[in-house]
Amino acid sequence: AQSVTQLGSHVSVSEGALVLLRCNYSSSVPPYLFWYVQYPNQGLQLLLKYTSAATLVKGINGFEAEFKKSETSFHLTKPSAHMSDAAEYFCAAVRSGGSYIPTFGRGTSLIVHP
Amino acid sequence: NAGVTQTPKFRVLKTGQSMTLLCAQDMNHEYMYWYRQDPGMGLRLIHYSVGEGTTAKGEVPDGYNVSRLKKQNFLLGLESAAPSQTSVYFCATLVGQGPMNTEAFFGQGTRLTVV
Repeated sequence: AQSVTQLGSHVSVSEGALVLLRCNYSSSVPPYLFWYVQYPNQGLQLLLKYTSAATLVKGINGFEAEFKKSETSFHLTKPSAHMSDAAEYFCAAVRSGGSYIPTFGRGTSLIVHP
Repeated sequence: NAGVTQTPKFRVLKTGQSMTLLCAQDMNHEYMYWYRQDPGMGLRLIHYSVGEGTTAKGEVPDGYNVSRLKKQNFLLGLESAAPSQTSVYFCATLVGQGPMNTEAFFGQGTRLTVV
């Protein structure tokens, strides 16, 4: 069965510092991978997605993620954190070539200090 | 376009009461899902549907039932609510045709408290 693991339930950074949120997947066949963001009391919004076209994916709000098959990883980064980036971030996978069922990690809460 | 609309947004139930959550979409997506979100647990799939008239169980289906009589609507029912069903419920939809259509679209959520 496919699973998604996010390391660290909370990540704390200072404004202007690098943001790194970790995601690993377990699947014999690389799935389609996604990062979603959830602001308080809202639904999830897509940040970016990997669908095998390019290993480095750029998303909204300056975020990007790199797919590394050898490490089964899809870590999310942003060079410089902004206060408005404080939110919950979810990594998700959809199995390629099969049923379209998104599987989510447990989420990482990003805290940005002034 | 409204996208994905969930009704109601908030609800308090007494143990043993029943209720139905409605998810409506105007994007003509085939796939629809119900998830629950609990602190530290991420989103867990309750039930899903791959098209009108179809439903299937997800990871945590016990205590819930669903129906998809019309393509645009996906209903989640709680037959006899329990405090363990206190959660935030999210509906999501997905086109599901090829790799470029695997993004999920979410409603704003329903916050349910069972006392």
